Amino acid sequence: EIVLTQSPGTLSLSPGERATLSCRASQSVSSSYLAWYQQKPGQAPRLLIYGASSRATGIPDRFSGSGSGTDFTLTISRLEPEDFAVYYCQQYGNSPRYTFGQGTKLKIK
Amino acid sequence: QVQLEESGPGLVKPSETLSLTCTVSDYSISSGYYWGWIRQPPGKGLEWMGSIYHSGNTYYNPSLQSRVTISVDTSNNQFSLRLSSVTAADTAVYYCARETQVPSRSFDYWGQGTLVTVSS
Repeated sequence: EIVLTQSPGTLSLSPGERATLSCRASQSVSSSYLAWYQQKPGQAPRLLIYGASSRATGIPDRFSGSGSGTDFTLTISRLEPEDFAVYYCQQYGNSPRYTFGQGTKLKIK
Repeated sequence: QVQLEESGPGLVKPSETLSLTCTVSDYSISSGYYWGWIRQPPGKGLEWMGSIYHSGNTYYNPSLQSRVTISVDTSNNQFSLRLSSVTAADTAVYYCARETQVPSRSFDYWGQGTLVTVSS
């Protein structure tokens, strides 16, 4: 099983600042199979990034993804008030097919 | 815009079977894609449970495989989840979602989720 470890667990920043979220895999993950989601309280997750670096439909360009192998990053260039949420990375691979990271909570400082 | 909506009992007794249905709107399940179930215990992270294709082909999370069954009803554009022998550890928000395969593997449309509590 590929385990995804996200860091930090909590990130406290102010609107306008840059956020950098990390996702580290216990084994190499194909870049095609790494995704990022945003989840706000009481809502379903929303797909932000697929294929490690491609933005999903309707996602603002302040969100970007990068990385390969075992290290992946989600960057939010300038935080807007609506960006404060929990972010999850997800990989597709062998058994189990899908695993998620434990999440990073992005809090307003 | 594809829409998904979960439905089913919000309370299930321990040792019984949890049953949920996901109704898909504005997209025909028969047109393609896999369709999956993901759950989230209160205050915790996400766990993929399994997925199904319109043909009925399924794959499951090995940690749940002995207890989970996913089925599809193309005539009603629905797919369903059954989880047997539930315990309090199965208390969670259950989401249904559409699974993309090309060019990546992710979940692009989600239902709003339904909370299922396991309690006597």
